[in-house]
Parts: sequence; C-alpha cells; structure tokens
Amino acid sequence: EAQVTQNPRYLITVTGKKLTVTCSQNMNHEYMSWYRQDPGLGLRQIYYSMNVEVTDKGDVPEGYKVSRKEKRNFPLILESPSPNQTSLYFCASSLFAGSVAHQPQHFGDGTRLSIL
Amino acid sequence: LAKTTQPISMDSYEGQEVNITCSHNNIATNDYITWYQQFPSQGPRFIIQGYKTKVTNEVASLFIPADRKSSTLSLPRVSLSDTAVYYCLVGDYFGNEKLTFGTGTRLTIIP
Repeated sequence: EAQVTQNPRYLITVTGKKLTVTCSQNMNHEYMSWYRQDPGLGLRQIYYSMNVEVTDKGDVPEGYKVSRKEKRNFPLILESPSPNQTSLYFCASSLFAGSVAHQPQHFGDGTRLSIL
Repeated sequence: LAKTTQPISMDSYEGQEVNITCSHNNIATNDYITWYQQFPSQGPRFIIQGYKTKVTNEVASLFIPADRKSSTLSLPRVSLSDTAVYYCLVGDYFGNEKLTFGTGTRLTIIP
C-alpha cells in the first residue's frame, strides 16, 4: 500500500532532550516536506527536500534540522526541544520536485509531540 | 505563492450542497488552485485541483470564474462524514517548492 509513515505517533518528552521523528515513503517520491500544525495557525511548512541531499527551509525552520540521505526517508530532528515546539507534525511527499503546487501531496497520519 | 482567504468555519445540514469560497486576489498566470480535506487526527488529503472554469470529480466540484481571483469548492449532498477542515492552496505550476496551506475552513455537518 502506498503510504507515508511517521514514527512515533505520540511522544512526550522534556526540554533539551534530543529527539528524531522519522518519515518514510514507499512511492519513490522525489519531494518530501515537514509541517507543523497549531490551533489557529493552520499548517506551516518547516523544511522541504527536492531530492537526496537537497533540503531547504520552509516558513518556520528555527529549532529544527532535517536530512535526506536516502530517497525514501526524511527525518525531522529537534536537537534541543523547547515547549514552543509542542505541536502536531506532518510529513508529506509528492512525486516530482518540480511544480510541487501542481501535484497532490501525500501526508502521513501525524506525530503529536509534547515538550514539557 | 498567492495569499488565500477562506471563512474560518461553516455549518451545514446533512443532505445539503455546501459551497466554500476561497479568495486569491493576487493569483498569478501560472498558478493552479488546489483543495485539501483534513479529518481529525489525520493528515490532509488532496481532493481537487483546477486552473479555470469548472472541474468535477467523484468527491467535489471546483468552480473558478474567469478572473480567477476566487474559487468555490462545492460538496454535493453532504453527510456527517464530510465534517473536516478544507484548505485552499494556490501555487505556481513552474517550480515553487514552498507550500503555504493557511488556516482552512472548518466545516461542521449537522444531523
């Protein structure tokens, strides 16, 4: 089944403890991205990747890192999490890196992070 | 990307047709209009996309007037399962890799 898989689905942790949220897609998609969703603010893009070893900042990249060493995986790294990063996170992918807005984005089911 | 404006929320009764309008006054010539649907505790799901006039699929219709400064998502005969947040997205066909979803419209279907 074609899908975007995120892990973990839920995580409660403490300030400053490094964490990684994994994202994997099995559709051979070039483009992958991370979003955070907060009440009243909608979906905001954190980082995106047009292909292996190519990443760029979205609208809210501060406090996050990403890597794209393999086409299928795009982990989101919080080196020193803070309470303002408590949010619902979504990973998404689409087939080609060009004309992204013209292609359906396939989303994972989300990861709910709570930073205490 | 062109900025979009949608109503924050809408209510409708089961069986009615629902129209959600998105305003995008600064839409560019190369921009397409895309709508996503998000159910609680799930990621958004692509439902329809268009450039001009009318597009219809098994889920919805999308109406785009000639000036393209707005678009209307039409959901025929809604049911309780159509309760969701609907996002309007406007983007350049030619390679703008950053996407902006906005806050969306929360549609609540009343029995």
